[in-house]
Amino acid sequence: GQSLEQPSEVTAVEGAIVQINCTYQTSGFYGLSWYQQHDGGAPTFLSYNALDGLEETGRFSSFLSRSDSYGYLLLQELQMKDSASYFCAVRKGSARQLTFGSGTQLTVLP
Amino acid sequence: EPEVTQTPSHQVTQMGQEVILRCVPISNHLYFYWYRQILGQKVEFLVSFYNNEISEKSEIFDDQFSVERPDGSNFTLKIRSTKLEDSAMYFCASSDDSSSGNTIYFGEGSWLTVV
Repeated sequence: GQSLEQPSEVTAVEGAIVQINCTYQTSGFYGLSWYQQHDGGAPTFLSYNALDGLEETGRFSSFLSRSDSYGYLLLQELQMKDSASYFCAVRKGSARQLTFGSGTQLTVLP
Repeated sequence: EPEVTQTPSHQVTQMGQEVILRCVPISNHLYFYWYRQILGQKVEFLVSFYNNEISEKSEIFDDQFSVERPDGSNFTLKIRSTKLEDSAMYFCASSDDSSSGNTIYFGEGSWLTVV
């Protein structure tokens, strides 16, 4: 089976940097994705890592270590609008389905 | 920007009734999915569809569920004989056929309440 672990809640202040960690257990690991979801809204793709290292997209970066089965999402220059749930998700092998973690609720305080 | 659209946004149905949720995936995408999210829980995969057939399904997707692509644009999820525990947000999603296909685009969801 597959399992993903991420913190349930993180709180930070506007302008700060926050890191959301994700550890996973899966056979046939293919890649780690990150999605953002505002209350009642659609999950929105943020980032994807298939290889070890850091991927940067504007204020958001994502890191993967395949040997450690670990990744993180780094959010810089936090804004109030970044308050949302963040999910890591793994893709297994050639299958295209995603298995999501339980999500991390990020609260950005003024 | 192209988007996945879903109807209805909300539906209330009585237990035992059949429900059809509709989706229009992004036009040049070839992979279609249904996911669901029970209130306060994580997003769960139900089924993927490619080339007019189911390519993957989870253990949640039992005989109560079916999917169909009735025409060139719509993709539907049918839930027969709904149960209280089917109450959830159902997300349709699509992705392209590139070798990575790692970006899955989700619709805004259909909130189903079974009473």
